[in-house]
Amino acid sequence: DTAVSQTPKYLVTQMGNDKSIKCEQNLGHDTMYWYKQDSKKFLKIMFSYNNKELIINETVPNRFSPKSPDKAHLNLHINSLELGDSAVYFCASSNGQGIPYEQYFGPGTRLTVT
Amino acid sequence: AQKVTQAQTEISVVEKEDVTLDCVYETRDTTYYLFWYKQPPSGELVFLIRRNSFDEQNEISGRYSWNFQKSTSSFNFTITASQVVDSAVYFCALSEAGANNLFFGTGTRLTVIP
Repeated sequence: DTAVSQTPKYLVTQMGNDKSIKCEQNLGHDTMYWYKQDSKKFLKIMFSYNNKELIINETVPNRFSPKSPDKAHLNLHINSLELGDSAVYFCASSNGQGIPYEQYFGPGTRLTVT
Repeated sequence: AQKVTQAQTEISVVEKEDVTLDCVYETRDTTYYLFWYKQPPSGELVFLIRRNSFDEQNEISGRYSWNFQKSTSSFNFTITASQVVDSAVYFCALSEAGANNLFFGTGTRLTVIP
């Protein structure tokens, strides 16, 4: 049983396209996240949702739009893709709001923009 | 402002050697949480440990141990009798109370040579 799953695992697309990455967790957690890992392995939070509500929105271009249809899903839509968007995107989930519990990560989606 | 420093970018050890990965953090909060994650070559992020700022007891889990020293703002990770399967990038992370996001260090790449 996969706890946090992401699709697709690999995504290769051209500049200017719009793409989505889906994330689902079956851990019963109420908080979900998107992180970006760049080519130097640096991991940075992008968004956090708690019970379908946006909690954290770091300085991310508004071409990135998260959507949480229910608390088990957090999808990431990216408009007008740019070369600099190439990275690995990780979804994560955890329990609790206000107390930082451990986060469980999905396998990552490697996005390559050409 | 929070900061996590992992000064060791890369470490190589021979199998069965002990190795310590350093983590130094900065935060203005008195309540915070520290984490270690492992990212093996396959790319997923694996949770290892969570420690809150009020618990300075050292932790041991099999060949892994963690030393939390508030006086030096450090949360170091030691692997005893290293094995090839320990080869990975290890991330230290910090989360302040009331904030759910993890603030990651830049990671230490550990290579265990057979």
